[in-house]
Amino acid sequence: KAGVTQTPRYLIKTRGQQVTLSCSPISGHRSVSWYQQTPGQGLQFLFEYFSETQRNKGNFPGRFSGRQFSNSRSEMNVSTLELGDSALYLCASSLPPSDRANTEAFFGQGTRLTVV
Amino acid sequence: DQQVKQNSPSLSVQEGRISILNCDYTNSMFDYFLWYKKYPAEGPTFLISISSIKDKNEDGRFTVFLNKSAKHLSLHIVPSQPGDSAVYFCAASAAGGGADGLTFGKGTHLIIQP
Repeated sequence: KAGVTQTPRYLIKTRGQQVTLSCSPISGHRSVSWYQQTPGQGLQFLFEYFSETQRNKGNFPGRFSGRQFSNSRSEMNVSTLELGDSALYLCASSLPPSDRANTEAFFGQGTRLTVV
Repeated sequence: DQQVKQNSPSLSVQEGRISILNCDYTNSMFDYFLWYKKYPAEGPTFLISISSIKDKNEDGRFTVFLNKSAKHLSLHIVPSQPGDSAVYFCAASAAGGGADGLTFGKGTHLIIQP
């Protein structure tokens, strides 16, 4: 079974630009979440999508947004990039809550975003 | 306020010995706890988990202990091997452990010395 796939792996953008990251979950997983990892803050939850709807959101500004498509693939968008947005962005997928019996989230390899 | 804390940023253990990684949490709503292992430039890999109805879960060399009254969990790796050198994240969930809203600690860098 293919794992969680994130593209691109690496990205360099300039301050003020916007960026879109992509995530394909494990087949059959309909819940997709995004996390930001920085050295100082560790892994922080951005948002979660299920059935094309955002169900849960972390404490990030509105510049961070996302969406999920009918095939469960998800995209994350960051507008007006700031230097502090440089981080590893991780996508995780899991079974939906109704099917879940204490199961774990599976992570992709992440997209390393550098803002210069 | 950090709800999941890993107070040791790094830990050095000799190969063959036991590695003990600790994690404390503050939110009583957490009902599922997970440990992830992460190598540089890779995403976290699930290691082992424990539900709040248990106090111990074992999988090969890895054992997780949960002390609910102390809001403390620990991961024991025995015997430690060089390939265990990585950053270990403790995570907690109030939603059965799925991808939505896991709260992570900041990680402990485990270094296994030959």
